[in-house]
Amino acid sequence: DAGVTQSPTHLIKTRGQQVTLRCSPKSGHDTVSWYQQALGQGPQFIFQYYEEEERQRGNFPDRFSGHQFPNYSSELNVNALLLGDSALYLCASSRIRGQGWDQPQHFGDGTRLSIL
Amino acid sequence: QKEVEQDPGPLSVPEGAIVSLNCTYSNSAFQYFMWYRQYSRKGPELLMYTYSSGNKEDGRFTAQVDKSSKYISLFIRDSQPSDSATYLCAMSAVYSETGNQFYFGTGTSLTVIP
Repeated sequence: DAGVTQSPTHLIKTRGQQVTLRCSPKSGHDTVSWYQQALGQGPQFIFQYYEEEERQRGNFPDRFSGHQFPNYSSELNVNALLLGDSALYLCASSRIRGQGWDQPQHFGDGTRLSIL
Repeated sequence: QKEVEQDPGPLSVPEGAIVSLNCTYSNSAFQYFMWYRQYSRKGPELLMYTYSSGNKEDGRFTAQVDKSSKYISLFIRDSQPSDSATYLCAMSAVYSETGNQFYFGTGTSLTVIP
């Protein structure tokens, strides 16, 4: 049973560029959440997708956008990259419909984004 | 005030010791509480989850939730060098079809010395 997979594992970009990160949820999961984890900090919630719609959003600017596809996979897009966007970007999946509480979030190993 | 507060440590203990990790929170709507373990360059791995108040035990790990004090704990018995990692607490409000948001602590770095 495949867990959450993310690609690429590491990415180097320069300021002002745009980046797309990808996530495939754990088998059977229908909800994807994205987090930003700066060095030495806990994950910060960016947004959550369910049924191809953004359901919840954290305190991140509009430069951060996402998408969920019919197969539940998801993309995170960041425009106009800043040095401060350097971080580990984590994807987590869970299941909401019909399962309620018993399905907490499971994380991938993340994409490490470095901005030069 | 942050939603979730966690002492970042670092915490260093000898092998076999009992480890106590703690988080406090301010949002009384939180009902779901989780502990994750994160090794270097890896994603968080779910260790324990509990609903509302009470205790939950799983092997060497015990999670406690005290909603009246807005305080949660993770105890690790007979700690092993392989337990050396960063431990993150996380919590969430009502789990519904409109989505939910998990709030994380900053993580506590633990080293178990052989």
